[in-house]
Amino acid sequence: AQSVTQPDIHITVSEGASLELRCNYSYGATPYLFWYVQSPGQGLQLLLKYFSGDTLVQGIKGFEAEFKRSQSSFNLRKPSVHWSDAAEYFCAVRYGGATNKLIFGTGTLLAVQP
Amino acid sequence: SAVISQKPSRDICQRGTSLTIQCQVDSQVTMMFWYRQQPGQSLTLIATANQGSEATYESGFVIDKFPISRPNLTFSTLTVSNMSPEDSSIYLCSVDGLGAEAFFGQGTRLTVV
Repeated sequence: AQSVTQPDIHITVSEGASLELRCNYSYGATPYLFWYVQSPGQGLQLLLKYFSGDTLVQGIKGFEAEFKRSQSSFNLRKPSVHWSDAAEYFCAVRYGGATNKLIFGTGTLLAVQP
Repeated sequence: SAVISQKPSRDICQRGTSLTIQCQVDSQVTMMFWYRQQPGQSLTLIATANQGSEATYESGFVIDKFPISRPNLTFSTLTVSNMSPEDSSIYLCSVDGLGAEAFFGQGTRLTVV
């Protein structure tokens, strides 16, 4: 079955440290890849997306993600984390078409230490 | 991007009752989506609502439990019927953007007691 895996349930980083959140998707043609952030009590906000082209994509709030087809991965990175980045992060994938069903990973809860 | 408003933002309901959640979009859209996010879990698609036709439900979700209305191209409702504590979740409304991304409302946090 088509799926998305986020191996890390919880991550804690110190403010100012770098961050990498992992996302792996099951093999499928033409994946449309997304990262969303959910702050406490809020809906989901789109951070960035990848469809094609340059495999390193820039998003909002200083986030970037790199698509690696050989590893079926789409990891999210930020060079310097701010306390306001504490939230839950979801990787999501559409397989086979822009209007196909969106499949979410289980999420990674990020805590930021002062 | 689309702006999506959901009401209510939260509610506490007695078991056995029903709650209707409203979703309003600031532009006309063909499809609207309803998701459930159980405590500590990811998002699960409940159903897709098309204007002018019956909603399409995902496996494990049925119309009797989650009736959906879609009276026009900017509005939809989801009803959670005959609620039990297991229905305590965040319910989110979503629409697709032109670039295949999805936009979400702020969610309705439901607690059933």
